[in-house]
This record gives sequence, C-alpha cells and structure tokens, in this order.
Amino acid sequence: ELKVEQNPLFLSMQEGKNYTIYCNYSTTSDRLYWYRQDPGKSLESLFVLLSNGAVKQEGRLMASLDTKARLSTLHITAAVHDLSATYFCAVGGWETSGSRLTFGEGTQLTVNP
Amino acid sequence: NAGVTQTPKFRVLKTGQSMTLLCAQDMNHEYMYWYRQDPGMGLRLIHYSVGEGTTAKGEVPDGYNVSRLKKQNFLLGLESAAPSQTSVYFCASNDPTGELFFGEGSRLTVL
Repeated sequence: ELKVEQNPLFLSMQEGKNYTIYCNYSTTSDRLYWYRQDPGKSLESLFVLLSNGAVKQEGRLMASLDTKARLSTLHITAAVHDLSATYFCAVGGWETSGSRLTFGEGTQLTVNP
Repeated sequence: NAGVTQTPKFRVLKTGQSMTLLCAQDMNHEYMYWYRQDPGMGLRLIHYSVGEGTTAKGEVPDGYNVSRLKKQNFLLGLESAAPSQTSVYFCASNDPTGELFFGEGSRLTVL
C-alpha cells in the first residue's frame, strides 16, 4: 500500500524567509504532483513531476523529485503572505485503471508579515 | 471554460436520507474520480471511473455508489446517509499526464 507523508504538517514563517516542505512516499512511483488549496476552496495544480531529477519553478516556488530516494521537495523562496495556503503532494503511477493518486495529509503554511 | 462542475455545493441531510452529487466535466477526459476530504486526512478516493459505463472502488467506497452513464458526468450517491459521511466531496478528472483537475467541492453535513 502506497503511503505518502508530508512534513511539516504545520509551518509558520515570516515574510522574506526560505523554507522547504518534504514529501516522502513508500513505493516506487514515476509521477508526483503538488497542489495548493486555499481555505474553503478547491485544489489548484502547481507542479507535475514526471521523471527522476525533474525540477520545476513557478515564481517563489520550486519543486523537485528524486525517485530513488522517494522524495519530493517544495522549496519556498522569500515567502510572501499570498503563499499562505495548504499544500498537498500526491503520488501515483499511471495504471491501466487510471491515475489513482494517493495524497499526503497536507502542509498548512502561514506566512506572517 | 467550465472545467469540472459539481452540484450541489452545500447540502444538509438527516441520517438515513439519500442524495446524489453530480459532477460534470467538459474537457473530454476519460477518467473521473470522487474524493472526500476530512480534516487531517488529506483526500481519500471513494470511487473512480476509467470511461463511460465503468466504475471501480477506491480506498473508502463503503456507503457510496456511483454511475457513469455519460462520459462527461459522474454521479455519487448516498443511499442512507450517516453522520460519518459528513465531509467535503471533490470530483476530479485527469488529462493524459495524470494531472487531476478538481471541481469546487460539495460540502455535505449529515445530522
């Protein structure tokens, strides 16, 4: 059974600081996704990582994937208040039965002025 | 472009009542999913469909039924609602990369 663990689960940081959220998973997978969720809202796709060593950046966020270590990181650079949200990683392989993703518990990020 | 649309967005039920959540997508995706989200538990897959006329069980299927009579629609039914089914329900579909596109969610309370 695939297990996905994120840490930390809660993160409070100051504007301008850097930090990393970690996503570990228990079995081999070639696909990893990061989503953002604002309170009371739906999930918004941030990054799709499809191969070992993949790195993607969008604004102050950068995601990477190490399939050998079964680890993905979401790095936040010079945080701003607008980044406050819950971030989920999701892991899954492409199966004939579709893209059955397993989600981590989520990391609730609060960026303080 | 509507993407994935869920109705209703809010619903309150009494224990034992039944209801159906409707999900519609206009992206011509083959695969569709129903998830539930509970505090501290991330999203858990209830049922999914790999195409019109097909459905399969996910991680937490008990107490739910689904149907996919048309490619663009995926229905989630609760035959006899229980308080443990109080949750936020998300429908999703995916593109060929496996990336999921979510609806806005349906908040269900069972009293």
